[in-house]
Amino acid sequence: GAGVSQSPSNKVTEKGKDVELRCDPISGHTALYWYRQSLGQGLEFLIYFQGNSAPDKSGLPSDRFSAERTGGSVSTLTIQRTQQEDSAVYLCASRVQGLAAGTQYFGPGTRLTVL
Amino acid sequence: SQQGEEDPQALSIQEGENATMNCSYKTSINNLQWYRQNSGRGLVHLILIRSNEREKHSGRLRVTLDTSKKSSSLLITASRAADTASYFCATDGSNDMRFGAGTRLTVKP
Repeated sequence: GAGVSQSPSNKVTEKGKDVELRCDPISGHTALYWYRQSLGQGLEFLIYFQGNSAPDKSGLPSDRFSAERTGGSVSTLTIQRTQQEDSAVYLCASRVQGLAAGTQYFGPGTRLTVL
Repeated sequence: SQQGEEDPQALSIQEGENATMNCSYKTSINNLQWYRQNSGRGLVHLILIRSNEREKHSGRLRVTLDTSKKSSSLLITASRAADTASYFCATDGSNDMRFGAGTRLTVKP
């Protein structure tokens, strides 16, 4: 597709369950980002992938959160043993990396609700 | 952690008025970007200004950047009800982008 896609668009889960969120970046974009946005709040950086380099995980809030990017394309964000405070919209973005990297292109997000 | 900080947190104006939002940041940047987010929707890129630029225009949008003060402003002229949204600035460093909490703009018809 032409843009960044994410799935599922909505996810409702019970506390303690694991969830996987998927992001398909724009083809050719080497940089991929995950953000979290709680209701009425700004974007919170979670993790950043750039090519084959080790990801920047500095934003992950706890060891229950992990992400991987297979083949330099699709990325999966996994949240284990979900808690109610994990409820948020999880946004993925991609872009061409470099000094003239420019715009991030965002997906529509996955709205996660932990009951 | 967040880098950009928008000011004000909320702004309410009448249709036709101008809206000005400010963004301050802490570290050196390659560029600064402004995004809009309509309620419940994804982020839309509005405008990018590079660190060697001072002002940029796009339609009814005008962005300024003062790297000495580490601040930027977004001006929306002749506002419309459809401009009602949250506006975020994002600072672009060497590797990543960090977003502020946003300014919630309400334009009353």
